[in-house]
Amino acid sequence: GAVVSQHPSRVICKSGTSVKIECRSLDFQATTMFWYRQFPKQSLMLMATSNEGSKATYEQGVEKDKFLINHASLTLSTLTVTSAHPEDSSFYICSARGDPRTQPDNEQFFGPGTRLTVL
Amino acid sequence: AQTVTQSQPEMSVQEAETVTLSCTYDTSENNYYLFWYKQPPSRQMILVIRQEAYKQQNATENRFSVNFQKAAKSFSLKISDSQLGDTAMYFCAFMKRAGNTPLVFGKGTRLSVIA
Repeated sequence: GAVVSQHPSRVICKSGTSVKIECRSLDFQATTMFWYRQFPKQSLMLMATSNEGSKATYEQGVEKDKFLINHASLTLSTLTVTSAHPEDSSFYICSARGDPRTQPDNEQFFGPGTRLTVL
Repeated sequence: AQTVTQSQPEMSVQEAETVTLSCTYDTSENNYYLFWYKQPPSRQMILVIRQEAYKQQNATENRFSVNFQKAAKSFSLKISDSQLGDTAMYFCAFMKRAGNTPLVFGKGTRLSVIA
């Protein structure tokens, strides 16, 4: 299957600082990327859907000014947690999907996740 | 809106035995996909098996098979000859076929395979 990477895998930051997480599709062009948040022992919660070259669509209850998503190219999406606070500590996972016109099976490929700890 | 329900928070099975994980879903869509994902302690999401709703034949991948009952909106996963490496969280997921729609996940079932 296709490969999606995330960087960094772990990050610790001080409260009030901003953190950027990168999600890259390594061997395919991702027209759509999704960002999820996962608390311990819980399921994945969709935060936003990101289409290349357009603004992200945020799920209800997700602050778009706090979680900035940029999808400037077909292989890279970034999630920036602005003015991070301890309650933002979580595991963040991205997934990527290719063009459904050329990849009709619509499979999503997941990154390995980023563990964010805000002190 | 679609919902996915996994009613078994935790399950255990003896090594080499068979276990079935339950999943039900609710949707008004007719064209969709269903998935089972595995999340081991590494937390990497791994696709186990997928089913296209328009296909009546149940999907099978080696030791993993599903029982897809479209009318009942049920999608259970059977793991045969369970192995220690099958220990993980298992998530059932739904996705509409059309457009760039996201996966909708159930709450997951934690499976422990016991030696």
